[in-house]
Amino acid sequence: KNEVEQSPQNLTAQEGEFITINCSYSVGISALHWLQQHPGGGIVSLFMLSSGKKKHGRLIATINIQEKHSSLHITASHPRDSAVYICAVRFVRTGNQFYFGTGTSLTVIP
Amino acid sequence: DVKVTQSSRYLVKRTGEKVFLECVQDMDHENMFWYRQDPGLGLRLIYFSYDVKMKEKGDIPEGYSVSREKKERFSLILESASTNQTSMYLCASSLSPDSDLPAGELFFGEGSRLTVL
Repeated sequence: KNEVEQSPQNLTAQEGEFITINCSYSVGISALHWLQQHPGGGIVSLFMLSSGKKKHGRLIATINIQEKHSSLHITASHPRDSAVYICAVRFVRTGNQFYFGTGTSLTVIP
Repeated sequence: DVKVTQSSRYLVKRTGEKVFLECVQDMDHENMFWYRQDPGLGLRLIYFSYDVKMKEKGDIPEGYSVSREKKERFSLILESASTNQTSMYLCASSLSPDSDLPAGELFFGEGSRLTVL
């Protein structure tokens, strides 16, 4: 049973659009991560969150601990943002392990 | 910068061959992980290690074994490769979560794409 749910599974946007990707999880976490994977490329960590909000350039990540939900926002999207975005969590009860969503495939059209 | 290095980006092997995938990290991380990534299935944990010589099975350990003789190196072994082990294999590392410190960020290698014929 996948305890990390991501939506949408696929997303196509026009360049310049504001994009939101959602992640929800089942039980208490010690941290939530947003990861990015470009086609044919490795996975890089964008954010690690345990509360509140973080911003890096055009990327913003938020987390609501009470609602067990996180969002990744991309402002003024660009074709180079086209990638798979993956949510990963570390649950308090499982310590060392990470659990992953199935990813959101984003395509930004010029 | 943390670096996780996987030994081979692309490998082609024949059914029955023994396959070694090597992973080295340079930031003294306690935790190391091997995942496989398949379309529609996301990342699935094969094995992880939280210390030298320590290992735990993940979700799909069948057909795989691991070795961690040194803290920086975590090897994945396919004793007898089969066609259903054709996949992208990703190694990752992190610090251990600790009650006094934030949970560790996860760092990935570039991946090893294995094709078994």
